[in-house]
Amino acid sequence: SAVISQKPSRDICQRGTSLTIQCQVDSQVTMMFWYRQQPGQSLTLIATANQGSEATYESGFVIDKFPISRPNLTFSTLTVSNMSPEDSSIYLCSVAESGNTIYFGEGSWLTVV
Amino acid sequence: AQRVTQPEKLLSVFKGAPVELKCNYSYSGSPELFWYVQYSRQRLQLLLRHISRESIKGFTADLNKGETSFHLKKPFAQEEDSAMYYCALSPSNTGKLIFGQGTTLQVKP
Repeated sequence: SAVISQKPSRDICQRGTSLTIQCQVDSQVTMMFWYRQQPGQSLTLIATANQGSEATYESGFVIDKFPISRPNLTFSTLTVSNMSPEDSSIYLCSVAESGNTIYFGEGSWLTVV
Repeated sequence: AQRVTQPEKLLSVFKGAPVELKCNYSYSGSPELFWYVQYSRQRLQLLLRHISRESIKGFTADLNKGETSFHLKKPFAQEEDSAMYYCALSPSNTGKLIFGQGTTLQVKP
């Protein structure tokens, strides 16, 4: 099974700043995704991180707010831009291996003050 | 619309009692259904997927296409089963997941 590492695991940020979250996988994977889990809520898909091309965003999420990079098959970053307290959430990286087996990172707990 | 519904936010049972966590879905095609578990302060873990038909930690789930349900069951709950359980749907091998709101299972001694 894929092992997924996320950095930072936790951070407290000032409003108006941006933070980049990294996701590193120990093997090459075709599909990588970013999810958000707001306090007391379930997980919501932000976007699919496409290797070598622009990410595909779900309804309600835009590139200017959540720019995503995917330079290769083992690494992706999600930036949360111009943060406000409403962005306080857990951000999770997910990968899908062949046969649609889906794994999650530990999550990055972000608090915006 | 694609949707997963977990009607119970909290399910509290005594140790040794049977457990059923309900999950209903709405999807026009042939979805793949999953149950994920999140223990306190740990990452989300895959518990079950309907295509494997396995029993993990005593839990089973059967996909009922007629009722569009994928309820999670265990005959005898253990205290270590206390966790948050998420039902999720993946449309047609896309790798994406649509999650239900989650059910907190609390197993009392």
